Amino acid sequence: KAGVTQTPRYLIKTRGQQVTLSCSPISGHRSVSWYQQTPGQGLQFLFEYFSETQRNKGNFPGRFSGRQFSNSRSEMNVSTLELGDSALYLCASSPQGAGSNEQFFGPGTRLTVL
Amino acid sequence: AQSVTQLDSQVPVFEEAPVELRCNYSSSVSVYLFWYVQYPNQGLQLLLKYLSGSTLVKGINGFEAEFNKSQTSFHLRKPSVHISDTAEYFCAVSNTDSWGKLQFGAGTQVVVTP
Repeated sequence: KAGVTQTPRYLIKTRGQQVTLSCSPISGHRSVSWYQQTPGQGLQFLFEYFSETQRNKGNFPGRFSGRQFSNSRSEMNVSTLELGDSALYLCASSPQGAGSNEQFFGPGTRLTVL
Repeated sequence: AQSVTQLDSQVPVFEEAPVELRCNYSSSVSVYLFWYVQYPNQGLQLLLKYLSGSTLVKGINGFEAEFNKSQTSFHLRKPSVHISDTAEYFCAVSNTDSWGKLQFGAGTQVVVTP
């Protein structure tokens, strides 16, 4: 089975712009979670989608949003980018998103905001 | 609310020596526990997980961890490390209500030298 894929791998944007990141989960996985990883804050949970519905959300401002499509592919969007949004954004998939499920991570998208 | 504390930010170790990475958690409900590894410029890979049952869990690449409920700990061990074990290691917890959400520790950087 192919693993979790994320596109693009690297992205450079300027403050005030918006960005869309894409994640394709492992075939058959219906849950997709997003995380932000920074040196200062570590790994922080953004949100989780299952069957096109957001079931869980972390403590991030409304500039961070996401969606999931019927084929379980997911996108996250960040509007009005700030310098502090520079981070590695990781997507993870699991069969049902239950707490006991192992999450399989993609390689991440490295976002740099100038 | 739950939290995860990794007690060491960096652990230097010589090749073929044993290593122990410490993880403590706090939670008001039963938790599931995970150890992930992250190699440079990559996503996270699961080493092992504790869901229930035997408190000694064996994982990939010779790693094992012991769940101690009374001490709320989940320490990771390897009896003999290789240069290739140089990476960052993350302890994570979830519970039955945390749909798609892993709560991560700050990470422990393991540096293996010859």
